[in-house]
Amino acid sequence: KQEVTQIPAALSVPEGENLVLNCSFTDSAIYNLQWFRQDPGKGLTSLLLIQSSQREQTSGRLNASLDKSSGRSTLYIAASQPGDSATYLCAVRVGNEKLTFGTGTRLTIIP
Amino acid sequence: NAGVTQTPKFRILKIGQSMTLQCAQDMNHNYMYWYRQDPGMGLKLIYYSVGAGITDKGEVPNGYNVSRSTTEDFPLRLELAAPSQTSVYFCASSYRGGTNEKLFFGSGTQLSVL
Repeated sequence: KQEVTQIPAALSVPEGENLVLNCSFTDSAIYNLQWFRQDPGKGLTSLLLIQSSQREQTSGRLNASLDKSSGRSTLYIAASQPGDSATYLCAVRVGNEKLTFGTGTRLTIIP
Repeated sequence: NAGVTQTPKFRILKIGQSMTLQCAQDMNHNYMYWYRQDPGMGLKLIYYSVGAGITDKGEVPNGYNVSRSTTEDFPLRLELAAPSQTSVYFCASSYRGGTNEKLFFGSGTQLSVL
């Protein structure tokens, strides 16, 4: 059974710093991995999707990497801003099966 | 650009009552999903559909039912509400068949069963 872990559960950093969020998964035979953002009381917004054949994806200040062999993905946020404060979740898909979500990292950017 | 629309946003039910959570998407997505999110837990899949007329159980289907008569709509039915069904419910959709199958979520329904 695929398990997805995100550590730490919460993270606070000063504005302007670069930061890395972690996601680990137990079954390396994944089809793809997605990073999501969730604001309080809102639904999830997909930020980046990495196919199993890819090593990284970039969108603006966000960069997601994937290392299937080690069962890890990271989300790098450059030059953090208060508006980046949210909960970030990763989810993996194995074959044609459902997505398995991590429990998320709650990020707070301190002005 | 409506995306995925869920109604209602909030609802309080008494034990044993029934209700239907509505979900509609206007992106012509073939896959639709219902998740529940409990505090401190990841999202759990309740039911999903790969197209009109086809539905299947997820991880936690007990106490719920779904139907998919059209591509756009995927309602979730709670027949006999129980306190364990207190949660936030999210509907989502995606297009499978291409390389970009990002998941799009509705804004959620917060349900309390008392």
